[in-house]
Amino acid sequence: DTEVTQTPKHLVMGMTNKKSLKCEQHMGHRAMYWYKQKAKKPPELMFVYSYEKLSINESVPSRFSPECPNSSLLNLHLHALQPEDSALYLCASSQAFGTLIQETQYFGPGTRLLVL
Amino acid sequence: GQQLNQSPQSMFIQEGEDVSMNCTSSSIFNTWLWYKQDPGEGPVLLIALYKAGELTSNGRLTAQFGITRKDSFLNISASIPSDVGIYFCAAGANSKLTFGKGITLSVRP
Repeated sequence: DTEVTQTPKHLVMGMTNKKSLKCEQHMGHRAMYWYKQKAKKPPELMFVYSYEKLSINESVPSRFSPECPNSSLLNLHLHALQPEDSALYLCASSQAFGTLIQETQYFGPGTRLLVL
Repeated sequence: GQQLNQSPQSMFIQEGEDVSMNCTSSSIFNTWLWYKQDPGEGPVLLIALYKAGELTSNGRLTAQFGITRKDSFLNISASIPSDVGIYFCAAGANSKLTFGKGITLSVRP
């Protein structure tokens, strides 16, 4: 099973709203990622979690707050977003063995976010 | 920073034709990956390559990890309409992936 699931599929929110994106994988992977993707551009890395601990934050604004409650789940909490944050948000996962994170990542279908 | 050169931005081929795409970099990578992305969906992993010189096939797709570890190519043989989409190369080092800009493939019936 190489499936990563994401909910919701679509989300529309105002700039004062608080919402959360959810990601789940059951592949036993211990590394999980959040990416942001604009139309016709490659994915841009936001955060990396390894063994439920944040290991990389690519200087993402604090209005994006990641959380990894357990080894299968990854959340992205959104607050006070701007219209330019509208994008496809992708979750991915990969295997990890101690400090070694395998770079072969499996992506979810994404959440299409529109900020009004 | 590390960059992957993937061009052209778009390719147009006739159904049944073969197509080749390549991806180059000035940096050395440990892993080369090829993804396909349909509109509104996440990237789907097509082929993963882990050793310099490795040649791997997945159905009509063949990809190779360059000997210098700085490049990779993807071949699609006998294209069909469902091959349309954006093809991204990605290369891994230090637990992170660097992505190419992607090639949008169109297949004329």
